[in-house]
Amino acid sequence: DAKTTQPPSMDCAEGRAANLPCNHSTISGNEYVYWYRQIHSQGPQYIIHGLKNNETNEMASLIITEDRKSSTLILPHATLRDTAVYYCIVIEETSGSRLTFGEGTQLTVNP
Amino acid sequence: DAGVTQSPTHLIKTRGQHVTLRCSPISGHKSVSWYQQVLGQGPQFIFQYYEKEERGRGNFPDRFSARQFPNYSSELNVNALLLGDSALYLCASSPRPYSNQPQHFGDGTRLSIL
Repeated sequence: DAKTTQPPSMDCAEGRAANLPCNHSTISGNEYVYWYRQIHSQGPQYIIHGLKNNETNEMASLIITEDRKSSTLILPHATLRDTAVYYCIVIEETSGSRLTFGEGTQLTVNP
Repeated sequence: DAGVTQSPTHLIKTRGQHVTLRCSPISGHKSVSWYQQVLGQGPQFIFQYYEKEERGRGNFPDRFSARQFPNYSSELNVNALLLGDSALYLCASSPRPYSNQPQHFGDGTRLSIL
């Protein structure tokens, strides 16, 4: 079973920041938070991951709360091409490469 | 650099047949994982291979099998196809398992069973 909870859908206006929440209240100390997205008819695309510090790359920022029980993926300037299903996944480094996907959040960016 | 490539992109089979799906990982990646994605759901883990050995298996019947070759490419085989095997089959690669290096996915093979 997935260890994360996400809203099923969200809307965002083009050009505005998209903030996607994820709850992972049972996360343990050695588990990472990963974010992937899946655009229709394509494979999942890796976005970003983190352990406890906030992370930023060219695609997005990841904000992890101090207690690590939740996180937020931020797309700073959403475009229509960011419309996709976004998956938040918690994975332990020693579990190998097994990703457990939940239902994800369908983000729709509107013009 | 080439990403993860999968072939074929689409395939139509009938019940009872078998199918072989192929995956080439990103250059330098030695770990390959397979996932099944049924319409409307998230991907589900099937297998992981590293250095030609099975390192993990999801909750799938023995009709599903896989192997990894010396060049780290991989095949997924499914025997005695059922209607419920209709899905998008995804391959993902990473440098190695048991690390925090992310997996990267191909665009999958869409398998339809008639």
